[in-house]
Amino acid sequence: AQSVTQPDIHITVSEGASLELRCNYSYGATPYLFWYVQSPGQGLQLLLKYFSGDTLVQGIKGFEAEFKRSQSSFNLRKPSVHWSDAAEYFCAGSGGNNRKLIWGLGTSLAVNP
Amino acid sequence: GAVVSQHPSRVICKSGTSVKIECRSLDFQATTMFWYRQFPKQSLMLMATSNEGSKATYEQGVEKDKFLINHASLTLSTLTVTSAHPEDSSFYICSADDRGRGDTQYFGPGTRLTVL
Repeated sequence: AQSVTQPDIHITVSEGASLELRCNYSYGATPYLFWYVQSPGQGLQLLLKYFSGDTLVQGIKGFEAEFKRSQSSFNLRKPSVHWSDAAEYFCAGSGGNNRKLIWGLGTSLAVNP
Repeated sequence: GAVVSQHPSRVICKSGTSVKIECRSLDFQATTMFWYRQFPKQSLMLMATSNEGSKATYEQGVEKDKFLINHASLTLSTLTVTSAHPEDSSFYICSADDRGRGDTQYFGPGTRLTVL
């Protein structure tokens, strides 16, 4: 069955530290992969997406993600976290014609000053 | 670009009443819109997929007669929660699929529904 897994429920980092949020997927073929961010009480904002081609994808707000087929992973990274990055981060994948997204459970990021 | 709006942002209603939530794609045409429900500190649960001009496809366990979805135009889909009850209180989020930007879903800001 298709699935997207975010192993870390909650992560706390210090402001200015680097960040990596993990995402693993299980699909028959390479899915489309997405990272979204959700601030409290808000909708979701697309950070970046991977469809094909270059496996290192640049997104908004200084985020990037790397698609690694051998590890079935699509981890999100940021070299220096800002306090405003505290939010919920969701990894999602889609495959097939119906374009429905399969969601990870989310990782809650807290940033210490 | 790729802006999706939702209205209202929050609504409080009495049990037994119906509530309509609008989802609009402001700067693109969306042949497909999705409706999600999100419980506190949880991921999104897809309720239904709405295609312009046709009946919505509901996910297993979602009552189509309770959650009426209409997608009358390429920029507007509505979700009506009929005869709402307290257990319907939730955060409802819509998304619109922009095929022009590579099959990407763009999300509205969500609607907080509280049923008293």
